[in-house]
Amino acid sequence: GENVEQHPSTLSVQEGDSAVIKCTYSDSASNYFPWYKQELGKGPQLIIDIRSNVGEKKDQRIAVTLNKTAKHFSLHITETQPEDSAVYFCAAKITSGTYKYIFGTGTRLKVLA
Amino acid sequence: ETGVTQTPRHLVMGMTNKKSLKCEQHLGHNAMYWYKQSAKKPLELMFVYNFKEQTENNSVPSRFSPECPNSSHLFLHLHTLQPEDSALYLCASSQELTSGASYEQYFGPGTRLTVT
Repeated sequence: GENVEQHPSTLSVQEGDSAVIKCTYSDSASNYFPWYKQELGKGPQLIIDIRSNVGEKKDQRIAVTLNKTAKHFSLHITETQPEDSAVYFCAAKITSGTYKYIFGTGTRLKVLA
Repeated sequence: ETGVTQTPRHLVMGMTNKKSLKCEQHLGHNAMYWYKQSAKKPLELMFVYNFKEQTENNSVPSRFSPECPNSSHLFLHLHTLQPEDSALYLCASSQELTSGASYEQYFGPGTRLTVT
């Protein structure tokens, strides 16, 4: 079935270091890959996304890369800050016949001051 | 604030109760979604509405009954739930589900539901 695998499940980094979270999707027809940040007591917030016709997208300290051949996409956060601590989710939009978003299981990122 | 509000934020109900969750979006979107978020599991899509019409029911038990009276409002009616239904229920919205529309989804803060 359709699924998205996300690794690692937890990640601790020192403030100022980089963090990388990776996802693999199964549906080769997927064409849209968003990343969400969820803080305690809040809903997921879209932080960056990428479409399948683009290999990389950057927004200040956040970047996403996509490898369609390998069906991998990754979130890169540089110069991490304590306020980056949250749970991050990747997702893939399924395009075959319907509009569905399949989510990864989440990565809990802790940035240590 | 994402422009999507949900009420109540917390709900405790017994297995024989009937309650409703409400979602409202102020973004001018025409697609709305219900998701279930349980610990250690991916977000599970429950229902999708596009222009008030249900386009997706992800094999959700009938004790969950959605209602979408207009593109700005979405309800989830709950009846005779089970303790395993305890979870965070998230509403989201996006532009209409047509080719060329934006795919961006915006989530509300969720309703934390506890079934006793």
